[in-house]
Amino acid sequence: GAGVSQSPSNKVTEKGKDVELRCDPISGHTALYWYRQSLGQGLEFLIYFQGNSAPDKSGLPSDRFSAERTGGSVSTLTIQRTQQEDSAVYLCASSLGQGLPGELFFGEGSRLTVL
Amino acid sequence: AQSVTQLGSHVSVSEGALVLLRCNYSSSVPPYLFWYVQYPNQGLQLLLKYTTGATLVKGINGFEAEFKKSETSFHLTKPSAHMSDAAEYFCAVSDYGGSQGNLIFGKGTKLSVKP
Repeated sequence: GAGVSQSPSNKVTEKGKDVELRCDPISGHTALYWYRQSLGQGLEFLIYFQGNSAPDKSGLPSDRFSAERTGGSVSTLTIQRTQQEDSAVYLCASSLGQGLPGELFFGEGSRLTVL
Repeated sequence: AQSVTQLGSHVSVSEGALVLLRCNYSSSVPPYLFWYVQYPNQGLQLLLKYTTGATLVKGINGFEAEFKKSETSFHLTKPSAHMSDAAEYFCAVSDYGGSQGNLIFGKGTKLSVKP
């Protein structure tokens, strides 16, 4: 597609369940980022991929959070044993990933609500 | 480490009035600075960026920002607000210490435009 695609757009789950959020970046973009956006908290960096490897996992808030990227394209963010504080909008972004910091292209996000 | 402070979580202006959204940054190296806009239920999109060269940067939709090193500021302005400018605006600085191309975002400023 032309832009970054995220699914599902909305997810409501019960506390303790696992969820998977998917991101399909712009074709040819080697860098992929996951951010979490909570009300009034701005964007919190979670993880970054260059190709299929994740050199920076420093933002993952706990070991319940994991992410992978396959084929240098689609990425999945998995949250295990969800908690109410995990409720947020999860944004994915991609970029060309070369040279100087450039423009990040964002998807519309996946809104997660944990009951 | 780099950081961004946006003064004012909410700003309200009348249609046709000047828009001024404030951003101050902290960086130990020459920064790359960005402004992103987020319309309701959408992802973020780039308004403008400063990397090197001219300190007054023009972006889309009539917005501009001026990099002032002495004040460590990168305030966003628009001479005349339109109703369509109502959105949330995020200032960001490049994260030299972390992932290549990653950005550190401020907490955002929500702009309301009154008729």
